[in-house]
Amino acid sequence: GQNIDQPTEMTATEGAIVQINCTYQTSGFNGLFWYQQHAGEAPTFLSYNVLDGLEEKGRFSSFLSRSKGYSYLLLKELQMKDSASYLCAAMDSNYQLIWGAGTKLIIKP
Amino acid sequence: EAGVAQSPRYKIIEKRQSVAFWCNPISGHATLYWYQQILGQGPKLLIQFQNNGVVDDSQLPKDRFSAERLKGVDSTLKIQPAKLEDSAVYLCASSLGGEGGHTDTQYFGPGTRLTVL
Repeated sequence: GQNIDQPTEMTATEGAIVQINCTYQTSGFNGLFWYQQHAGEAPTFLSYNVLDGLEEKGRFSSFLSRSKGYSYLLLKELQMKDSASYLCAAMDSNYQLIWGAGTKLIIKP
Repeated sequence: EAGVAQSPRYKIIEKRQSVAFWCNPISGHATLYWYQQILGQGPKLLIQFQNNGVVDDSQLPKDRFSAERLKGVDSTLKIQPAKLEDSAVYLCASSLGGEGGHTDTQYFGPGTRLTVL
């Protein structure tokens, strides 16, 4: 079956770095998406990886290893506003997104 | 550029009542999605339209849920009759899409929070 695994909750300190991991199993693979979702709001797009390696976008970076079925989202210089859920979603061979349950990130001062 | 619009933002109904949600996608986006998101879970795809045709409705509970996108733009999702377990946020998303499969980014509307009592 198709499955996405990511930690339920993580805590980090303002100004620090945090890495949110995601492993996936899908029928075929057409890329890996990360979305940010603040409480009570809609998911907003953060990144898309389809090739192995690291993509950097400001304070946020996303990494993909297709051979390991593994991705991570790296957040640097954490700010209080980064407190949110981070959703990992893999696109299968039918171009359907398979969503994880999300990782709730708590930032402490 | 205007984003995905949804209404209403909140709705409270009693079980066995009916409810309808409306979505207007980003202009020019051919593909429209309806998701159900239960608290603490990821979004679950209910139905996907490409223009006014259904691409995937395999997870839509068709005995009570229906959706349409008659002119290939706006869409409505209806629940009739509602059950307690339908309490969730209903998200509409759109992507550029087009014929065949695409890795286009999906953009989400603010969602409708449904509470069934």
